[in-house]
Amino acid sequence: QQQVKQSPQSLIVQKGGISIINCAYENTAFDYFPWYQQFPGKGPALLIAIRPDVSEKKEGRFTISFNKSAKQFSLHIMDSQPGDSATYFCAASNFATSGTYKYIFGTGTRLKVLA
Amino acid sequence: DTGVSQDPRHKITKRGQNVTFRCDPISEHNRLYWYRQTLGQGPEFLTYFQNEAQLEKSRLLSDRFSAERPKGSFSTLEIQRTEQGDSAMYLCASSFGGIDTEAFFGQGTRLTVV
Repeated sequence: QQQVKQSPQSLIVQKGGISIINCAYENTAFDYFPWYQQFPGKGPALLIAIRPDVSEKKEGRFTISFNKSAKQFSLHIMDSQPGDSATYFCAASNFATSGTYKYIFGTGTRLKVLA
Repeated sequence: DTGVSQDPRHKITKRGQNVTFRCDPISEHNRLYWYRQTLGQGPEFLTYFQNEAQLEKSRLLSDRFSAERPKGSFSTLEIQRTEQGDSAMYLCASSFGGIDTEAFFGQGTRLTVV
């Protein structure tokens, strides 16, 4: 019940295309859903995050869509660029209960954007 | 650099040796987290501190692992009698307490046990 399932494992997109990564969770106590971007040899960096009281959040080219009833959320990268090539992790935490950002991470999606 | 700092960046050790990693969080952050990331996987939570108190430990943190945050500032993670299965990236993150605050990750310490 603590798992966050992420798909696809890898993704190849043409420059200018839309990259879509999906995550699903079971624990309805989760109340904070961030997406992290990680480049090789670097730590994860927060891209965008959402709480379950909204269905969509957009920041620049990055959009999170959230479906509370389906317990699913997704990351959309519009106008994908070669510089977006990285590994993306979804995560979830139950901040309201635990008071902490103890994240459960997905297994990651390796995105490659072709020039 | 005002981000989360981890030292060393890389560590190669022989099986059975002890290793210690250091994390310096963002200075005003009272919460500090340790995660472990193996190749091709997402980070897994190990433990977290609020100030100097260690409030939660994962089942992944065997008796060979110990973490401290003696003055509520930097933290150390020690692994005793290392095993090949301990080879991983060890990530530290810090945050404020409170809602809508971001957890910032360091660049990690990559441990290789040979």
